[in-house]
Amino acid sequence: NAGVMQNPRHLVRRRGQEARLRCSPMKGHSHVYWYRQLPEEGLKFMVYLQKENIIDESGMPKERFSAEFPKEGPSILRIQQVVRGDSAAYFCASSPGTGGQPQHFGDGTRLSIL
Amino acid sequence: ELKVEQNPLFLSMQEGKNYTIYCNYSTTSDRLYWYRQDPGKSLESLFVLLSNGAVKQEGRLMASLDTKARLSTLHITAAVHDLSATYFCAVDVGSSNTGKLIFGQGTTLQVKP
Repeated sequence: NAGVMQNPRHLVRRRGQEARLRCSPMKGHSHVYWYRQLPEEGLKFMVYLQKENIIDESGMPKERFSAEFPKEGPSILRIQQVVRGDSAAYFCASSPGTGGQPQHFGDGTRLSIL
Repeated sequence: ELKVEQNPLFLSMQEGKNYTIYCNYSTTSDRLYWYRQDPGKSLESLFVLLSNGAVKQEGRLMASLDTKARLSTLHITAAVHDLSATYFCAVDVGSSNTGKLIFGQGTTLQVKP
């Protein structure tokens, strides 16, 4: 059974371009979370989604960032008009519910902005 | 502001020694998680602590939770080189425990032969 699948593993963009990061949760998991990790820091919560719903986006920057988890297909984190400060590792996690089960993390997407 | 603070942030120790990593948090929560991260890798779940007084052990690692003191500890017994990694605690602060995790800064453990 595959774990949380993220792609691409590495993504290079020039300033002003768009970045799309994909996440397929573990089979049977309906809760998806996105986190950002800057070098030498812990993970920062960005957004929590269930199918077709954003439940908590309190950690998302107000502009340029959006996330979705459609009925079919992976969850997408989209960053428009990227800037150097967007360079980070973006991790997706999934869980089967909120009953105290741990979140399972993907391998992350390392985003580099030139 | 919600804070989760770990100390120490860096720990270098000899094989065979014992040590404890501390995780303090500033909000009410009874769900705390410990994760391990190897360089350039993802996070691996180590422990789930869901109530005051919870204690979990796996191999040389033992984690505990004191919700009254808002403190969790990760104790390492007789460290071995394979335990070298960065350890994160994370607190569930979402309403109705929605899984929004606030992470500590991480403790990088280096175990020397």
